[in-house]
Amino acid sequence: EVQMVESGGDLVPPGGSLRLSCAASGFTVSNYFMAWVRQAPGKGLEWVSILYTSGYTYYSDSVRGRFTVSRDNSKNTLFLQMNNVRADDTAVYYCARAAGTDYGAYFDSWGQGTLVTVSS
Amino acid sequence: DIQLTQSPSFLSASVGDRVAITCRASQGISTYLAWYQQKPGKAPKLLVYVASTLQSGVPSRFSGSGSGTEFTLTISGLQPEDFATYYCQHFLSYPITFGQGTRLESK
Repeated sequence: EVQMVESGGDLVPPGGSLRLSCAASGFTVSNYFMAWVRQAPGKGLEWVSILYTSGYTYYSDSVRGRFTVSRDNSKNTLFLQMNNVRADDTAVYYCARAAGTDYGAYFDSWGQGTLVTVSS
Repeated sequence: DIQLTQSPSFLSASVGDRVAITCRASQGISTYLAWYQQKPGKAPKLLVYVASTLQSGVPSRFSGSGSGTEFTLTISGLQPEDFATYYCQHFLSYPITFGQGTRLESK
């Protein structure tokens, strides 16, 4: 069974850092595109980043230069390093397995999400 | 960036009804479109990809259609478990974007 479990969400002050983890089971992270999607409280879905099997990455304009996506193949885990966070980064962050092309992807399995709250 | 506009934003319907949700893209996206269902407090669930391909395990009362700039998600014979929020998402190119969502509630 495909499963992803996110962790690492917390209350963090503006300008702080946080690392989210997504532990996968039932499939091998390095064999799939893997992504992060977030949802601010009461709002819609917003794509954040994606990591291709090749190692290539894409980021949304709102997080580029501040967030970094990576994976640890030995742990079958995806990460999102969040630096210089802002109040508008407050959201539930979902890890998602993705499929698609070199230019775009959709998300066929999702974790349960982890809440990041940016506040002083 | 490609903008996706869903209509309606809110829909009230009854069990057994046939409902349709539209997603319009600001430019042509061929069939690079997916639909998701999300229930309160839960992660989204993929329903349809490449505009009309049903994800494995999704009931056949769900169907997707369209290409270019206009797409439709249809639910034929609403069931109680279908009341949720639905999102479209394009994957033609980065940045990936989602529609604003359509909230389907019980009349």
